[in-house]
Amino acid sequence: DTEVTQTPKHLVMGMTNKKSLKCEQHMGHRAMYWYKQKAKKPPELMFVYSYEKLSINESVPSRFSPECPNSSLLNLHLHALQPEDSALYLCASSPVGLAGKKNEQFFGPGTRLTVL
Amino acid sequence: DAKTTQPNSMESNEEEPVHLPCNHSTISGTDYIHWYRQLPSQGPEYVIHGLTSNVNNRMASLAIAEDRKSSTLILHRATLRDAAVYYCILSSAGTASKLTFGTGTRLQVTL
Repeated sequence: DTEVTQTPKHLVMGMTNKKSLKCEQHMGHRAMYWYKQKAKKPPELMFVYSYEKLSINESVPSRFSPECPNSSLLNLHLHALQPEDSALYLCASSPVGLAGKKNEQFFGPGTRLTVL
Repeated sequence: DAKTTQPNSMESNEEEPVHLPCNHSTISGTDYIHWYRQLPSQGPEYVIHGLTSNVNNRMASLAIAEDRKSSTLILHRATLRDAAVYYCILSSAGTASKLTFGTGTRLQVTL
């Protein structure tokens, strides 16, 4: 199984809502990532988890709260978002400890988020 | 992170070879050169990577300049399914790779 799944595919939420994005992989990867992609722009890294611990936070606002409950799951909790947070949110996973030789990242299809 | 520079767009005819260039003049000795592509309405997918030597796989070839300041992704026979945005990314060695995507090259393939 070389697939990263993300749910939901689409999400519309108001600025006062609380919602969560979910990501799952069963490839045994111990690194997982959240990226944000605005229309016609490249993906931007948000968070990196390594062995279920947060290792990189790219100065993301606290209204985005990541969680890695186990080695297969990654969540992104959303609260009090702004309309400018509307984007495609991509999850990815990769092996760890290959010293850059082939840290190939496998991406999910993304969740398209619209904040009203 | 070291930067990469790619043309915004390129066009190719189907069944023709395509050479996608990437400049990375500030590359460090430990940076690997990765290529990913993003098809419409999909997440990015890995294409190929290399450090110093040219590399081949089933999808493409990667030609790396001797001074490592540039590289070229080669698609030997472009098909309509290769139409995508191609990203050249430098990633330093580490326990969890950090990919910093540049603007990429949008490849159009026509009949």
